[in-house]
Amino acid sequence: GAVVSQHPSRVICKSGTSVKIECRSLDFQATTMFWYRQFPKQSLMLMATSNEGSKATYEQGVEKDKFLINHASLTLSTLTVTSAHPEDSSFYICSAQRQEAPQPQHFGDGTRLSIL
Amino acid sequence: GENVEQHPSTLSVQEGDSAVIKCTYSDSASNYFPWYKQELGKRPQLIIDIRSNVGEKKDQRIAVTLNKTAKHFSLHITETQPEDSAVYFCAASEHSGGGADGLTFGKGTHLIIQP
Repeated sequence: GAVVSQHPSRVICKSGTSVKIECRSLDFQATTMFWYRQFPKQSLMLMATSNEGSKATYEQGVEKDKFLINHASLTLSTLTVTSAHPEDSSFYICSAQRQEAPQPQHFGDGTRLSIL
Repeated sequence: GENVEQHPSTLSVQEGDSAVIKCTYSDSASNYFPWYKQELGKRPQLIIDIRSNVGEKKDQRIAVTLNKTAKHFSLHITETQPEDSAVYFCAASEHSGGGADGLTFGKGTHLIIQP
C-alpha cells in the first residue's frame, strides 16, 4: 500500500502558460502533502506543505501567488504554476503523509516541467 | 530552519567494497532521518530510515548510524554491487504528535560502483 500518483509526468509548454500538477494518494488518506522542486543534478527543495482544508504553508523564498496549492480532499493536492517562465523549468515531486503514520513520506513519480 | 550537510558529493568504490556517506544536521528538534536512493529521472526511493531513539539500524547490506549528540548520521553499504550506483540523499525532519514536517535534504552523493 501507500501509492502516490502524480500527473502529468511531463509537460512542455510555452512561456506564460499556467500548468496544473496533481498529486493523489491512491490507497490511503493524506492530511498532509508536500511539494518539492529539484533542479538538474541538485537536491530536492521543499516548496510548501499542503494541509487538507486549509491554506498551504510556503517555504521562505517560494512565491505563493506563483505556485498555487489546493488540497481540497484527503487524497488530492494540486500545484498550479501560474504564468510559467523558463526559469520555472524543473522536476516537481509531491509526497504524501499518512494521518496515522506520518513517516515515511511516500513520493509520487514527479513531473518534469519544461517551459519554452 | 534545518540545514543538512552531506559528504562526499561523489564517491567511487570498487565492486564488493564498502561505501560510507555522512550527513550532519543543525536542528536538535529533528528526530527522523531517512536515506533515499534516486536514479536519473525517477522518484526518490526510501532505502532505510532511523529515528532519534535508536543509534543504529541495519537491513541486509545497508546500515545507518545516528549520533544525536554530535548531530550526525551515516549510511553504510557493504559488499557494493553495480546496481547500487545512483544518487543518495540523506534527509531530516521533525516528527511530533501532530504530524511531521517536510524533509530537509542533503545535496546528494553520486555513488559510482566500479566493476
